[in-house]
Amino acid sequence: KAGVTQTPRYLIKTRGQQVTLSCSPISGHRSVSWYQQTPGQGLQFLFEYFSETQRNKGNFPGRFSGRQFSNSRSEMNVSTLELGDSALYLCASSFTTDTQYFGPGTRLTVL
Amino acid sequence: AQSVTQPDIHITVSEGASLELRCNYSYGATPYLFWYVQSPGQGLQLLLKYFSGDTLVQGIKGFEAEFKRSQSSFNLRKPSVHWSDAAEYFCAVGPPAAGNKLTFGGGTRVLVKP
Repeated sequence: KAGVTQTPRYLIKTRGQQVTLSCSPISGHRSVSWYQQTPGQGLQFLFEYFSETQRNKGNFPGRFSGRQFSNSRSEMNVSTLELGDSALYLCASSFTTDTQYFGPGTRLTVL
Repeated sequence: AQSVTQPDIHITVSEGASLELRCNYSYGATPYLFWYVQSPGQGLQLLLKYFSGDTLVQGIKGFEAEFKRSQSSFNLRKPSVHWSDAAEYFCAVGPPAAGNKLTFGGGTRVLVKP
């Protein structure tokens, strides 16, 4: 089976812009979770989608949002970008509530 | 709320020597426990997991971990490290009732000396 794929792998944006990141889970997996990784805060959970519904949410401002499509692919959106949003954004998929498999990440740089 | 502590930020080990990475968690019941490894610029690769049953679990790449309920620990071990084991290692907990919301430790960076 193909692994979790994330596009794009790298992004450069400027403050105030918005960005959309995409994640395609492993075939058959219905849960997609998003994490932010920064040197200062480490790995932090953003949100999880399961069967097109948000099932869990972390402690991030409303500028961070996501959605999941009927084919389980997921997107996350960050509006009004700030310098502190520069991070590696990781997507993970799982069948239900068990082991999560991570993608390679999208490196977002905000200038 | 659950939390995970990895007390060692950096560990340097000689190739062929044994390795032990510490992980302590805080949670009211027995959580799901995971160890992931991350090479520079890469995503996270699952090494092993514990859900229930035998407290000594075997993983990939020769790693094993032992769950000790009394110490709230889930330490990772490898008998003989290889230069390719140089990476950052993350311990994570995922309460069974909270879907797939993982809480990660701060990570331990492992350097391997030749």
